[in-house]
Amino acid sequence: GAVVSQHPSWVICKSGTSVKIECRSLDFQATTMFWYRQFPKQSLMLMATSNEGSKATYEQGVEKDKFLINHASLTLSTLTVTSAHPEDSSFYICSAPRTSGSGEQFFGPGTRLTVL
Amino acid sequence: AQSVTQPDIHITVSEGASLELRCNYSYGATPYLFWYVQSPGQGLQLLLKYFSGDTLVQGIKGFEAEFKRSQSSFNLRKPSVHWSDAAEYFCAVGEGNSGGYQKVTFGTGTKLQVIP
Repeated sequence: GAVVSQHPSWVICKSGTSVKIECRSLDFQATTMFWYRQFPKQSLMLMATSNEGSKATYEQGVEKDKFLINHASLTLSTLTVTSAHPEDSSFYICSAPRTSGSGEQFFGPGTRLTVL
Repeated sequence: AQSVTQPDIHITVSEGASLELRCNYSYGATPYLFWYVQSPGQGLQLLLKYFSGDTLVQGIKGFEAEFKRSQSSFNLRKPSVHWSDAAEYFCAVGEGNSGGYQKVTFGTGTKLQVIP
């Protein structure tokens, strides 16, 4: 089946620093990828839709200057958490639909961000 | 807007007993429906999906779900639970858009505990 990877799997950083998270589709091309955030014991909340070659689409309430998304190629999307603060600590998960319109998304294993 | 409700936050069943996890959705058209499972600290794994056709859907690991339009439900079932089924289960509904891909909304999840 289709595989989506994320790197790193776990990152700890100091408050005020920026952290980049990568999401790769390993055996298929993804013109669209999605970024989710999951707080402890809560559901996944869609943050933004990453579009290859164009600007990302952010959900209401998500700061685009805080969470920078770059979808530079058909297999890679990056999420950069800028000037991270402890409240940004969360589990970040990306996903990619393999076939346009099929509805099935393949999820990465997630990245756990801890901001000290 | 689409929404998903999982009324049970936490369910405990004995190993070998049957299981039913409830899911209700709200969506204007025929929905795309999914069940995902998440083990602690892990990403999401698709158990099964419904797009159209037979309303009883078979998935992996012995799970099945039944789409009932009249009740706006998509409950997940398993006849005999194994200890390894202990995890968090998410129901999700997807909508298509002009881009041809699915924007997925997740329920709040049901945590399944399996006791010997």
